[in-house]
Amino acid sequence: QKEVEQDPGPLSVPEGAIVSLNCTYSNSAFQYFMWYRQYSRKGPELLMYTYSSGNKEDGRFTAQVDKSSKYISLFIRDSQPSDSATYLCAMKDNFNKFYFGSGTKLNVKP
Amino acid sequence: DAGVTQSPTHLIKTRGQQVTLRCSPKSGHDTVSWYQQALGQGPQFIFQYYEEEERQRGNFPDRFSGHQFPNYSSELNVNALLLGDSALYLCASSLVGANTGELFFGEGSRLTVL
Repeated sequence: QKEVEQDPGPLSVPEGAIVSLNCTYSNSAFQYFMWYRQYSRKGPELLMYTYSSGNKEDGRFTAQVDKSSKYISLFIRDSQPSDSATYLCAMKDNFNKFYFGSGTKLNVKP
Repeated sequence: DAGVTQSPTHLIKTRGQQVTLRCSPKSGHDTVSWYQQALGQGPQFIFQYYEEEERQRGNFPDRFSGHQFPNYSSELNVNALLLGDSALYLCASSLVGANTGELFFGEGSRLTVL
């Protein structure tokens, strides 16, 4: 079993839609949860960072962590064509080691 | 403020050859990690360097080795290349002890093994 499982997509939505991206994980020791965005031919960039369970909002982006279910989500409101990218969930253990999901490719159509 | 820079951006090698990839971390960062990203996959952790020593290692064979220099820059070496080593190699820098744990990635070195 992989440490982190991510819905592979691809996901295609119209501009303005609400997008939901999800990951599950198996290691209950994970305490730090992140979402990275990766544009084509670029390196990943950090979008959201959450410590432990709960919600965090930043503009049109909301990250949710449910440690009891080992499930994390990223919601994008009012999606824009510029949001088209691959979204990677990531988790960090107490030894500062990162584990990434396989990524969900999102296409927002104008 | 220069971000993470990697070189070369693209390279082609044949099976059995050796390759060296280079990385300069973001200014002020002291830790460099290397990741392998196969097409359509997420980054897989190779190893992490801090204070010129390998601190952690992922599930990669000894053909993958690295080095960190006193100026915090780093190299990734891969010996006896296999077709399966074809991937995007990402360098990420961070600051040890930083609460956010943010990794800053370079744009990667795309290696093709023929």
